[in-house]
Amino acid sequence: QQQVRQSPQSLTVWEGETAILNCSYEDSTFDYFPWYHQFPGESPALLIAIRPVSNKKEDGRFTIFFNKREKKFSLHIADSQPGDSATYFCAAIRTGNTGKLIFGLGTTLQVQP
Amino acid sequence: GGIITQTPKFLIGQEGQKLTLKCQQNFNHDTMYWYRQDSGKGLRLIYYSITENDLQKGDLSEGYDASREKKSSFSLTVTSAQKNEMAVFLCASSIDSYAEQFFGPGTRLTVL
Repeated sequence: QQQVRQSPQSLTVWEGETAILNCSYEDSTFDYFPWYHQFPGESPALLIAIRPVSNKKEDGRFTIFFNKREKKFSLHIADSQPGDSATYFCAAIRTGNTGKLIFGLGTTLQVQP
Repeated sequence: GGIITQTPKFLIGQEGQKLTLKCQQNFNHDTMYWYRQDSGKGLRLIYYSITENDLQKGDLSEGYDASREKKSSFSLTVTSAQKNEMAVFLCASSIDSYAEQFFGPGTRLTVL
């Protein structure tokens, strides 16, 4: 079963809008939640990450909102730009679990100019 | 900075053939990973290694072998290539399990 679920599978927004990408997880012991992005023809790269000691992490136009009680976290991309068009993967890992980062299936974001 | 090199970039094999993919990193990272990415799907972990000579199975290890010959290199072998094997194989490395993973450019496998 998929331990980290992403929605929607694909998302289209207009330039300047806020794109919201969602993830949920099963294992309450997960304690590190990164988002990776992958541009067409390229490899994934880390975008932003959060640990559940806080419920929000900002980096420029990118913000993670984290809800530990509901086991959900989301990536908000403010003022979306066409250059943000990519596939975004959320992931989770449990401290003490050697090396096994669990990825979601990805959300493909298209920002229309 | 550092770099991850994967060879070959493109690999064409015959069904039933044994094929080897290679990965080298000069980050001096302890942990290395092999993922498979099918079109429109996420990243599925095949094998990972937390240190030299260590091997851990991921969710998709059946049909694959791996070898961590030294700290900087991690090889993946497809033991008997199948037509549904066609995918991009990504190698990654990180300082430790919780740190950022850096990905190589990938090897695109086609099985005829």
